[in-house]
Amino acid sequence: DAGVTQSPTHLIKTRGQQVTLRCSPKSGHDTVSWYQQALGQGPQFIFQYYEEEERQRGNFPDRFSGHQFPNYSSELNVNALLLGDSALYLCASSPGQGTDTQYFGPGTRLTVL
Amino acid sequence: QKEVEQDPGPLSVPEGAIVSLNCTYSNSAFQYFMWYRQYSRKGPELLMYTYSSGNKEDGRFTAQVDKSSKYISLFIRDSQPSDSATYLCATFQGAQKLVFGQGTRLTINP
Repeated sequence: DAGVTQSPTHLIKTRGQQVTLRCSPKSGHDTVSWYQQALGQGPQFIFQYYEEEERQRGNFPDRFSGHQFPNYSSELNVNALLLGDSALYLCASSPGQGTDTQYFGPGTRLTVL
Repeated sequence: QKEVEQDPGPLSVPEGAIVSLNCTYSNSAFQYFMWYRQYSRKGPELLMYTYSSGNKEDGRFTAQVDKSSKYISLFIRDSQPSDSATYLCATFQGAQKLVFGQGTRLTINP
């Protein structure tokens, strides 16, 4: 059983560009959450998707948007990239919207130059 | 004030030592507490998940929650070089939103 997978592994972009990151949840999981982890910091919650809708959102600007597909996979889009967007972006999946364990993927490391 | 505070370390101990990692939290409504382990350039991996106060043991790992002082701890017995990683404490803020501490970087020296 594959765990949470994310693509790409690494990405280098320049300021002002747009980026799309992808996540496939663990089998049987229908809820996907996205986190941003800056170097030396703990992950920060961006938003969560369930039933193809954004259910919760953290303190991130509208430049950060997402989507969930019928097969529960998800995308994170970031527009107008800033240098400060450089971070490890983590996807986590869980079986529902309660306080179930969240399983994290390996992350996508984004570097903005 | 951050919702979850954690000493970032770094912490370096000899192999075989008992390691104590700690976090404090600000909101007494928090009830679910987790410890994740994160190896360099990898995603966090759940180690321990506890509810409310008390202790939970799993092999060499013990998680402890003291709700009266809003203090959570992770103890590692007989520490091994493979335990070298960053340890993150976390709690649920509402349903499904995890709030993390900064992480403590731990090195176990052979």
